[in-house]
Amino acid sequence: EPEVTQTPSHQVTQMGQEVILRCVPISNHLYFYWYRQILGQKVEFLVSFYNNEISEKSEIFDDQFSVERPDGSNFTLKIRSTKLEDSAMYFCASSEEYQGSEQYFGPGTRLTVT
Amino acid sequence: RKEVEQDPGPFNVPEGATVAFNCTYSNSASQSFFWYRQDCRKEPKLLMSVYSSGNEDGRFTAQLNRASQYISLLIRDSKLSDSATYLCVVNGKFSGGYNKLIFGAGTRLAVHP
Repeated sequence: EPEVTQTPSHQVTQMGQEVILRCVPISNHLYFYWYRQILGQKVEFLVSFYNNEISEKSEIFDDQFSVERPDGSNFTLKIRSTKLEDSAMYFCASSEEYQGSEQYFGPGTRLTVT
Repeated sequence: RKEVEQDPGPFNVPEGATVAFNCTYSNSASQSFFWYRQDCRKEPKLLMSVYSSGNEDGRFTAQLNRASQYISLLIRDSKLSDSATYLCVVNGKFSGGYNKLIFGAGTRLAVHP
């Protein structure tokens, strides 16, 4: 069964450093997403991406965040200057269609900012 | 009012029990509804979509009441492996597009022998 994959599984970085989280969505999916979950809290939407551009973003997704589809398979989330409060699980998801379709999540990257 | 509200639990039930979870959502323009399951420190896994007519998948039954903005999940014959957090999820026009999932905080289920 096809699945979303993410690397690395755990990333430790120092405050102020840049990190890039990588995702390989399911191959025939056209819509890609990033969500995050701070420990003990609910899953929160960050951004959705389609046809090489952002289709929607939340208020969390400020100027320090960016997304990119650098090639035909990878989808990345970059955090330019990490803060302590960026420590969380970051989940990538993908879906076949836009409206109302089921989203499938990757195993997540645990980001720890020290 | 929270966008998606769930009883956090925990629900502690014996194997074989039937357990029901409820969820309410605030935006009447919401279009799609789901139940996801999340094990500790793992990703949300899609359990089932929820349709207006109600739907069943084995031991799991989901219901949607649009008028009351209420979603439910019924688990029959609980197994130890059902122990997890159950997330009520809504995809709707909260502040823009329809492709943003809004998660409830989850209801924890613990099934014991």
